[in-house]
Amino acid sequence: DAGVIQSPRHEVTEMGQEVTLRCKPISGHDYLFWYRQTMMRGLELLIYFNNNVPIDDSGMPEDRFSAKMPNASFSTLKIQPSEPRDSAVYFCASRGTATYNEQFFGPGTRLTVL
Amino acid sequence: AQSVTQLGSHVSVSEGALVLLRCNYSSSVPPYLFWYVQYPNQGLQLLLKYTSAATLVKGINGFEAEFKKSETSFHLTKPSAHMSDAAEYFCAVSGGSYIPTFGRGTSLIVHP
Repeated sequence: DAGVIQSPRHEVTEMGQEVTLRCKPISGHDYLFWYRQTMMRGLELLIYFNNNVPIDDSGMPEDRFSAKMPNASFSTLKIQPSEPRDSAVYFCASRGTATYNEQFFGPGTRLTVL
Repeated sequence: AQSVTQLGSHVSVSEGALVLLRCNYSSSVPPYLFWYVQYPNQGLQLLLKYTSAATLVKGINGFEAEFKKSETSFHLTKPSAHMSDAAEYFCAVSGGSYIPTFGRGTSLIVHP
C-alpha cells in the first residue's frame, strides 16, 4: 500500500497568493482529516470528511480556508489569500472502519508564506 | 468531551536509560488511547493503541503503555532508550465519536 500521499511536500509562496494542498487517502478508507501543525499551537484538526462529505469544519481558522473532497481518492485544502501566519506543516490523514480508529498520516506539506 | 495532557514538552535521557513519557486523559465515555511517534520531517505513525482489551499494551520498537483507569493515565515506557528513539511523541484519546484529540507532544532527546 502506498500510504497517504500528499503534494507538494514543500510550498513557498508570497502573501496574497492562492495555495492548494492535495491529498490522496489510502484506498478503501472512508474518513479523511486535515491537520495543521505549528510550534505555537501544536497539532490542530481543521476539518474531516466521511464518505466525501464534510462533517466538522469547526477547526478551519477563517473563510480564507476551504476544503473539498470531490471523490473518495482525492481531497484539497485551499488557502486564498495566503498570509504569513498560515506558515505551518499541513497533514492529511485517513482512516477506515476496519482499522479500529487508527489514523494513517501522510508525510505533510511544509508551507511557507513570505 | 475529551482531552489529553502530556506532562513535559521535552524529556531528555541517556542512551540505555528508561524512557517514561506521561499522558493523562479526560473522557466522558470509555476511551480509546493511542501513542503516535513523529520523526523529523515525517508524518505521525502509530506506536500502540488501547482499545479496552489488555491494560498493558505493547507496541513497536520495544515501547509499551499501561492503561490505568483510576489514574486516568496512559504513560509510555521503554526499558532502554536508543538513539533512534529521538522523536516527537503524541498521546491521543478518542471516545464515542472515534475522532481523536491529540496532546501537545513530548520531544524525546537521547544523549549518547
